[in-house]
Amino acid sequence: GNSVTQMEGPVTLSEEAFLTINCTYTATGYPSLFWYVQYPGEGLQLLLKATKADDKGSNKGFEATYRKETTSFHLEKGSVQVSDSAVYFCALRGYSGGGADGLTFGKGTHLIIQP
Amino acid sequence: GAVVSQHPSRVICKSGTSVKIECRSLDFQATTMFWYRQFPKQSLMLMATSNEGSKATYEQGVEKDKFLINHASLTLSTLTVTSAHPEDSSFYICSALLERGGLRGQYFGPGTRLTVL
Repeated sequence: GNSVTQMEGPVTLSEEAFLTINCTYTATGYPSLFWYVQYPGEGLQLLLKATKADDKGSNKGFEATYRKETTSFHLEKGSVQVSDSAVYFCALRGYSGGGADGLTFGKGTHLIIQP
Repeated sequence: GAVVSQHPSRVICKSGTSVKIECRSLDFQATTMFWYRQFPKQSLMLMATSNEGSKATYEQGVEKDKFLINHASLTLSTLTVTSAHPEDSSFYICSALLERGGLRGQYFGPGTRLTVL
């Protein structure tokens, strides 16, 4: 079946530091890959996505590249801000399980940015 | 746009009672909604796919008689936890699938914290 593994947190960084949150996956076929962000007290929001190998998703200064050869989708940002503090989930959409669009999530990484 | 709400946000109930959780897409219609469950420090686990006008599709290991799903309209899906027990205590999150103008994606509700005493 499908699975997603992401680095466990919390990850604590200073403002303007470089961020990497690792994510690797196992899946059959050609899944789509996503990063979701959950701010305190809010629902999950799509941050970025990539639907095929070598695609790069980007949004709000965050980037992730779909690497099929390493089955990875690491999230990066060059200079983080305090407002980036949140929980980040890596996810994939494949075709195992009941629904074609049901997502498989990683455990989430809690990111804390200190001023 | 693409806002999804859940009600209630938090519920505490006694063991043996049933609890209904609502998921609404506020500004779009969704023929497909999803229900997830999240344990502390664990990932979201897909429970079932809710299809408007038809039966829900449950993931392996999820009891359909325990977790009743009704998707009666294009903007509302409900999850009823029947005869709740303490092990059903969890964070339940729904999402609605938006398909409009070539855009496709799941939009998530804020979640419902269920505590069964």
